[in-house]
Amino acid sequence: AQTVTQSQPEMSVQEAETVTLSCTYDTSENNYYLFWYKQPPSRQMILVIRQEAYKQQNATENRFSVNFQKAAKSFSLKISDSQLGDTAMYFCAFMKSMEYGNKLVFGAGTILRVKS
Amino acid sequence: NAGVMQNPRHLVRRRGQEARLRCSPMKGHSHVYWYRQLPEEGLKFMVYLQKENIIDESGMPKERFSAEFPKEGPSILRIQQVVRGDSAAYFCASSSSNGYTFGSGTRLTVV
Repeated sequence: AQTVTQSQPEMSVQEAETVTLSCTYDTSENNYYLFWYKQPPSRQMILVIRQEAYKQQNATENRFSVNFQKAAKSFSLKISDSQLGDTAMYFCAFMKSMEYGNKLVFGAGTILRVKS
Repeated sequence: NAGVMQNPRHLVRRRGQEARLRCSPMKGHSHVYWYRQLPEEGLKFMVYLQKENIIDESGMPKERFSAEFPKEGPSILRIQQVVRGDSAAYFCASSSSNGYTFGSGTRLTVV
C-alpha cells in the first residue's frame, strides 16, 4: 500500500519570501502521479500542481514549483514570493494512475502561515 | 459548469440520529468518490461509485455507513446512528480523464 508522509505540521514564512514544504512517499509502482493540494479556511480543495512520475522535468505553475526526486521518493513544494493568500493547509497526495477508480492517498498536511 | 456541488455545507446531528450528505458531480461526470477528513488529518478514501453501482467501498466503515449513486439525482452518503467520532468534513469528488474535482465538503458535527 502507498503511504504519504509530510513531516512538517506547521510552517511560517514572511510575505515575499520563499518556503519549501516537504513530502515523501512510499510505493512499489514505477509510474504514478503526485499532487499538491491547497485547503484554505473555506475548506475547498484546490489543486496547486501535478507531477507525472515518468516526466523527469519538475512541474511549475507560476510561483509554485516542485522538486521531484524519484529515487529518493521525495516531492517537495516550493512557493516563491509568498503572498498572504497562500496561507492554508497544504496536502501532498499520490495516485497510481489517472484511470477511473484510482484513489488519492493524502499526507497529514502542513499548515502554512504567511506573515506580513 | 457548476463544479461538484455538495449540500448541506454544515450539518449538526445529535447522537443516534441519521445524517444524509448529498453530492452532485460535475456535468458529464458519472464517477463519484467520497473522502472523509477527520480533524487535523488528511483526506481518507471511503467509497467509489458509478451510476447505480458501488465499485470500491474498501474505505467505508463496516457498520452504519452506506452510499448510493442512483440513476437520477445526487450521490448520497448516509450515516445511521451517528456518534461523536463521525464528526468530520466529508468531501465528494468527481473525475474525468484529467483528474479529480472536489466539492467544498460537508462538515458534520455530532453533539
